[in-house]
Amino acid sequence: GENVEQHPSTLSVQEGDSAVIKCTYSDSASNYFPWYKQELGKRPQLIIDIRSNVGEKKDQRIAVTLNKTAKHFSLHITETQPEDSAVYFCAASIGRAAGANSKLTFGKGITLSVRP
Amino acid sequence: EAGVTQFPSHSVIEKGQTVTLRCDPISGHDNLYWYRRVMGKEIKFLLHFVKESKQDESGMPNNRFLAERTGGTYSTLKVQPAELEDSGVYFCASSQEPADTQYFGPGTRLTVL
Repeated sequence: GENVEQHPSTLSVQEGDSAVIKCTYSDSASNYFPWYKQELGKRPQLIIDIRSNVGEKKDQRIAVTLNKTAKHFSLHITETQPEDSAVYFCAASIGRAAGANSKLTFGKGITLSVRP
Repeated sequence: EAGVTQFPSHSVIEKGQTVTLRCDPISGHDNLYWYRRVMGKEIKFLLHFVKESKQDESGMPNNRFLAERTGGTYSTLKVQPAELEDSGVYFCASSQEPADTQYFGPGTRLTVL
């Protein structure tokens, strides 16, 4: 089955700096890659996702890149703010393939701390 | 629109007891998923309903876990009898189509003593 690895496990950056979180996946059939942010005591919230037919997607200060050949995808946060501090989870799914199950396989999560 | 809701938010039980968790998906979402996060580890898939049918239950740990979704609306996840290793946060998520965004509930934190 699919295996998703997420590195590093913790990341601390200065406010205003950029943060990059990387994930690798094992199943080349995976075609959907969402990123979730979980603030303390709250539910995981989707912040951005990418499907395998594109290599990059941006939404204001957040971007995700996908390298299908190397089977890795990354989350980029620019101009970090203290409110970006949270646990970030990457995930992979083969949900769009015919007959495939759409379950998400998650990485272990990374705790991002943004120092004011 | 109301989000996914879960009840209870916390449950503390003793080993050997029974606990039932409930999930109410977003209205109109046919797809309902259960996941679990054991402390410090990744969020792991348990099972997937499409309406009232189990599409995939490959992640269910053992036969002490029983999930139902009668009528295709809310779902329950029963653990009987609970063991220490069942402790963790149980999340429910729903989506309109199988490959669409999955919206998560706030989770139920289960502690088995």
